[in-house]
Amino acid sequence: EVQLVESGGGLVKPGQSLRLSCAGSGFIFTNAWLNWVRLAPGKGLEWLGRIKSPPDGATTDYAAPVKGRFTISRDDSKNTVYLQMNSLKSEDTAVYYCTTGWYNDYWGQGTLVTVSP
Amino acid sequence: EVVLTQSPGTLSLSPGERATLSCRASQSVISNYLAWCQHKPGQAPRLLIYGASNRATGIPDRFSGSGSGTDFTLTISRLEPEDFAVYYCQHYATPPVTFGGGTKVEIK
Repeated sequence: EVQLVESGGGLVKPGQSLRLSCAGSGFIFTNAWLNWVRLAPGKGLEWLGRIKSPPDGATTDYAAPVKGRFTISRDDSKNTVYLQMNSLKSEDTAVYYCTTGWYNDYWGQGTLVTVSP
Repeated sequence: EVVLTQSPGTLSLSPGERATLSCRASQSVISNYLAWCQHKPGQAPRLLIYGASNRATGIPDRFSGSGSGTDFTLTISRLEPEDFAVYYCQHYATPPVTFGGGTKVEIK
């Protein structure tokens, strides 16, 4: 069974940084493309970016609103993908999900990030 | 960037009725790389359909996807109580991946 477990969310102040983690199991992690998607209060799903598998170059792509502020990385020895978020803003308040695959076929339960003074 | 517009915003139906959800793209979707997912409050979203018409693993056959180019449809043939949720279409041909604004299917 595919499982994705996010962690690292919490309450932070504007301008601060936070790193989210997502541990995967039940699939061949090193072959997986991994994404981060968020759901802000009252809004729809927003794709943030992805990191391809090492065989596909482990390259990253980002959505324009977070490019340069957010960084996705992976540690295949730990079956974990990370989302480093810098210069956080109130509008980054959301539930953050990690997902697998080209079309987000499996999702974690999410971790809540609240950015507030 | 492909912008996806979903309609209606809210669909009020009774169990047993048929639901038809629309997703329109701002430009033709390459190779019909269009997916649908379902989201219930407090739960992880779930992939329903990929490639416009292929059901994901374990998805009941009352869910079907159709369409091509810029116009896509998700149909739920007979609504079950567990189908009341928010549905999103998603374009994934090239980055950035984009989602539609969602359609909420609520109990009438």
